[in-house]
Amino acid sequence: DVKVTQSSRYLVKRTGEKVFLECVQDMDHENMFWYRQDPGLGLRLIYFSYDVKMKEKGDIPEGYSVSREKKERFSLILESASTNQTSMYLCASSLTTYQPQHFGDGTRLSIL
Amino acid sequence: QKEVEQDPGPLSVPEGAIVSLNCTYSNSAFQYFMWYRQYSRKGPELLMYTYSSGNKEDGRFTAQVDKSSKYISLFIRDSQPSDSATYLCAGGATNKLIFGTGTLLAVQP
Repeated sequence: DVKVTQSSRYLVKRTGEKVFLECVQDMDHENMFWYRQDPGLGLRLIYFSYDVKMKEKGDIPEGYSVSREKKERFSLILESASTNQTSMYLCASSLTTYQPQHFGDGTRLSIL
Repeated sequence: QKEVEQDPGPLSVPEGAIVSLNCTYSNSAFQYFMWYRQYSRKGPELLMYTYSSGNKEDGRFTAQVDKSSKYISLFIRDSQPSDSATYLCAGGATNKLIFGTGTLLAVQP
């Protein structure tokens, strides 16, 4: 089974802090994704990566950046956290294009 | 208009009922479709994945896609209390998946 592991289940940070969310997958998948999930809005794509050091913006990239230095690890960075970034953050991976995405259990991030 | 529309529910059914969950979509470029199940405080778990119009069955679950009317459905037979969760539909083109907002299902024992 595919395992996607997110480093923290719950995280509390302060406004203006730089925040790092980490994600690791163990199945040699090419593609990795970061989403945020908010009530009434569903899952929205922030960034995705289709190869090491390659990234593309999703639908809501503002205020975020990403890093993929190794194939198995994809990091989401909140450059200067703001209260409107309080959300559930979900990481996913897929083998290649058109293949199903497999999700981690999420990080519930609160920005105070 | 959202690209994928899904009734948020909640939908409450008795144990053993047949459940029908539905989504409509507007993007003609969608090439594949998925259904995910999400339990509270967990990530989405893949249930069904299909490329084409028609039906796909896996145990108690049947996914149905009608590309002509842009309509996707998930049927759950002999529903169980353990099926209580939020169900997310999604349509995809190349790497991007567009999700519905999810339907909350409660199966009452």
